[in-house]
Amino acid sequence: DVVLTQSPLSQPATLGQPASISCRSSEIFVHSNGDTYLNWFQQRPGQSPRRLIYKVSNRDSGVPDRFSGSGSGTDFTLKISRVEAEDVGVYYCMQSTHWPHTFGQGTKLEIK
Amino acid sequence: EVQLLESGGALVRPGGSLRLSCAASGFTFSDYAMTWVRQAPGKGLEWVSTISHNGGGTNYADSVKGRFFISRDNSKNTLFLQMNTLTPADTAVYYCAANWHCDYWGQGALVTVS
Repeated sequence: DVVLTQSPLSQPATLGQPASISCRSSEIFVHSNGDTYLNWFQQRPGQSPRRLIYKVSNRDSGVPDRFSGSGSGTDFTLKISRVEAEDVGVYYCMQSTHWPHTFGQGTKLEIK
Repeated sequence: EVQLLESGGALVRPGGSLRLSCAASGFTFSDYAMTWVRQAPGKGLEWVSTISHNGGGTNYADSVKGRFFISRDNSKNTLFLQMNTLTPADTAVYYCAANWHCDYWGQGALVTVS
């Protein structure tokens, strides 16, 4: 199985300042079609998860442009350019290239 | 607007069975693979199962293989998860999600095995 390891597991952030979350994979997971299906999800307190980023760096519709995804190979990053209060929650990476699909452990973003 | 509405969550005894449903609207259901993901209380997300758009292909997590069965009725825009031989470790909120890559999520259904 592809193991995804997120760091940090807790991210204290300052309003208006940048924040980043790392997701490292135990192996490269490039699909036979050439795409890397690395997704990022946000789960606000008491809510269902919501996808923010798909295929490493593509923002979903309605996602603020302060969120960006990058990376390749086994190292991926979610960046928030300027943290806002509504960004509080848990962030998960997930690979959907190989079966079984797998999630990272989650990173809790909180405001200092 | 895409909507996914899970139902069927309940309290069930160990060894029991339960069937979850997920009613979909706002997109062409029969064009999309569908996925179940669960979240144990206070824990992270765990992929459970995915079914292809026409039901011809299914995949399962090892933790549920042979006990859980995913299916769909494209005429009714509904996804199902039949859960058998339940154990306390299956206690979780179960989410249905659209596509292999979980584009959209429902609000979840709580399954408690105790």
